[in-house]
Amino acid sequence: EIVMTQSPATLSVSPGERATLSCRASQGLSSNLAWYQQKPGQAPRLLIYGASTRATGIPARFSGSGSGTEFTLTISSLQSEDFAVYYCQQYNNWPPLTFGGGTKVEIK
Amino acid sequence: QVQLVQSGAEVKKPGASVKVSCQASGYTFSRYSMHWVRQAPGQRLEWMGWINGGNGNTKYSQKFQGRVTITRDTSASTAYMELSSLTSEDTAVYYCARDLGQRFSFDYWGQGTLVTVSS
Repeated sequence: EIVMTQSPATLSVSPGERATLSCRASQGLSSNLAWYQQKPGQAPRLLIYGASTRATGIPARFSGSGSGTEFTLTISSLQSEDFAVYYCQQYNNWPPLTFGGGTKVEIK
Repeated sequence: QVQLVQSGAEVKKPGASVKVSCQASGYTFSRYSMHWVRQAPGQRLEWMGWINGGNGNTKYSQKFQGRVTITRDTSASTAYMELSSLTSEDTAVYYCARDLGQRFSFDYWGQGTLVTVSS
């Protein structure tokens, strides 16, 4: 099973600032990685797939990069609606599909 | 527009089974696979299994093998997840999630179904 590790666990950022979230895989994934946003009481929302392709309707301030074992989600200028928990998910080697433990982006 | 609507919250006793439904609309059900993902309180998302919308083939996480069964009824555009031999550790929100066209990531999610296991 591929283990996904996200860092940091919590990121405190001021509105308008850039946020950089990391995700590391225990084995190489090529580009088979997705990112999700989850707000309290809501289902996750797909942001990025293929490591860098934005899903339909996702604003350009969200960008993904990386390949192999190291990936990054960047939010270029945080808006109030972006404060949430973010998860990465690998789909290179399954079953099982696996998720990281999440990064909570909170208001500084 | 694509919608996945799940059945309501359940309370079950240890040892019982639960069956959660997920009714899809807004797309051709058989053309997309469906996954089931759960989230225990304060925990990360956990993938349980997948069903191919066209041929009904399934794959399950080894963690749940033997306890989970995923089925579908294409005439009703509905997927089902049944989990047996419940324990308190199965208390979680269960989500169905549509596959992003054989990419094994999830583009649409149901609203979630809270399953509480308590004696």
